Order: sequence, then structure tokens, then C-alpha cells
Amino acid sequence: SQQGEEDPQALSIQEGENATMNCSYKTSINNLQWYRQNSGRGLVHLILIRSNEREKHSGRLRVTLDTSKKSSSLLITASRAADTASYFCATGKAAGNKLTFGGGTRVLVKP
Amino acid sequence: EAQVTQNPRYLITVTGKKLTVTCSQNMNHEYMSWYRQDPGLGLRQIYYSMNVEVTDKGDVPEGYKVSRKEKRNFPLILESPSPNQTSLYFCASSSEGMNTEAFFGQGTRLTVV
Repeated sequence: SQQGEEDPQALSIQEGENATMNCSYKTSINNLQWYRQNSGRGLVHLILIRSNEREKHSGRLRVTLDTSKKSSSLLITASRAADTASYFCATGKAAGNKLTFGGGTRVLVKP
Repeated sequence: EAQVTQNPRYLITVTGKKLTVTCSQNMNHEYMSWYRQDPGLGLRQIYYSMNVEVTDKGDVPEGYKVSRKEKRNFPLILESPSPNQTSLYFCASSSEGMNTEAFFGQGTRLTVV
């Protein structure tokens, strides 16, 4: 079953614009992670935010977590054509040892 | 270079013919996992392993087997593949289960005819 659900499913923006995508989940979590996947390739870890954190930055990435709303957002600032990829959120629960992935957001950055 | 290596990258097989997809990591990670990725369904966990000789079912284990005899290797076995197992498969490893970042292999695209 999918714990995380990303929104929107697809996003098309111009280079230089910001891209925002959201992730909602259903049960309590230990942490939430974001991954990027270039077409048909393996996933690359972007950022991990723990349940007691509200915001985290890494380069042009900003992630927020609202545990009361069971939601997270990923912001990519000043997007580049190389940011074209699918982005997935994944949740880790306090009990158990697995990451549960959402369906992903496909981002197209047009030059 | 830290990496997770899967083989083969592409495989076409016939229904019922046993196959093994290998996965190896060079990071001394204790935790390893297999996922399948299907359009519209995202990634779903098949099996995971917390350490050598310790494995457990994920969300979609039916039709699959795994083994963890060595820390670095975590093969995925399809004893009698069926067309509904046509999918893109990923192996992943991490140092502390779901509490740290996972490293993914490049994927194995399997077609069962």
C-alpha cells in the first residue's frame, strides 16, 4: 500500500522557476525522505527530515514537514533542465523497517 | 566508489523458468531491500533484510524468494515467473534501515512472456 501520495502527479515549469510538490501520508512516521529518479534509472537520495524537524535545506532544495497535517513539501528553487526527473517521497515508520514510497511527481523543466 | 550493483540490467524470460537477479553492495550495509516499480503504483517493497540470515516480507512478497547468506549480497529469486511479475526491479541498501538514506541499484527490467 502507498503511504505517501504526491501532488501534483506532473509539473511543467520553465528553467529558473521554482517547483513545489507535496506529499501526504496516513500514519505516524519516524522520518520522511525525498528521492529523485531520472527516467528508468535508480533512485537518488535527496534529503531526510525527521519527525521532530519542521524544515530542512540542502542546496536549492527546501523540505518542510507538518506532522499535524501528515504532509511534507519539496521546493526546488531556480530550477534547471537537469532537474527534470520524477520525485518520490518515502516514509519510514517508528515500528518496522521499511520505506514506503508514494507514486511520485514527474517534473519537466523546459529550457 | 560506494554502489549497489544489480545484474542483469535487462532480462526477457518465459513463464515458469526460474531466474535470479543478483544484488551486491560494497558499503558494508546491514540493511538491504528489494522493490518493484510499476506505472501508477510507485515503488513497492518485496522483501527486506536487516542482517545476514534475517529476512522479512514486504508489501508484495508473493512469487518471490530472497536469501542473505553474506552481508554484501541479497539475490532475488523468482522460482516460477509469471507475466504479472513483468516490472522494473530495484535493490537498495542502507546502514540503518529506514532511519538513513538508501542507496539504489540501477534497476533490472524484467519481462516475462
